[in-house]
Amino acid sequence: EPEVTQTPSHQVTQMGQEVILRCVPISNHLYFYWYRQILGQKVEFLVSFYNNEISEKSEIFDDQFSVERPDGSNFTLKIRSTKLEDSAMYFCASSTGFEQYFGPGTRLTVT
Amino acid sequence: AQSVTQPDIHITVSEGASLELRCNYSYGATPYLFWYVQSPGQGLQLLLKYFSGDTLVQGIKGFEAEFKRSQSSFNLRKPSVHWSDAAEYFCAVGATGTASKLTFGTGTRLQVTL
Repeated sequence: EPEVTQTPSHQVTQMGQEVILRCVPISNHLYFYWYRQILGQKVEFLVSFYNNEISEKSEIFDDQFSVERPDGSNFTLKIRSTKLEDSAMYFCASSTGFEQYFGPGTRLTVT
Repeated sequence: AQSVTQPDIHITVSEGASLELRCNYSYGATPYLFWYVQSPGQGLQLLLKYFSGDTLVQGIKGFEAEFKRSQSSFNLRKPSVHWSDAAEYFCAVGATGTASKLTFGTGTRLQVTL
């Protein structure tokens, strides 16, 4: 069964550093998303992406964040200058337009 | 704006007992509704979804949910819980139309006693 994959599973970085989180969506899906879940809190929407552009973004998704689909298979989330409060589990999801399928997540720890 | 309320933070049931997890949503029209399950250290697995039509939907692992428009609810049920069902359960709402974001509830942690 096809699934969404994410790498790395855990990333530790120092405050102020740039990080790139990678996702491989399900191959025939056209819509891509990033969500995050701060420890003990609910899953929050960050951004959706379709046809090589952002469809929607939340207030959390400020200028420090960017997304890219650099090739036909990967979908990345970049945080330019990480803050302590960016520590969270980041989930990628993909969809044909209805139900979203989630990857296993990348745990980002900012020290 | 859409929102989801899951009133129960933590529920404990005995193995073999029935289960109902509550979910109430707020949305101006008929929403798309979902239940996801998250086991410790794992991602979110889609249990079931409601888009339209029959208000009782069946999902994986023996779960079902019923959409009640009058109560703005989408409660998740299972007639007989197994120990492996212990996990965190999230209700989510999406706007009708393709590709809309999901808004999640705060989740209900299910503990199953043997």
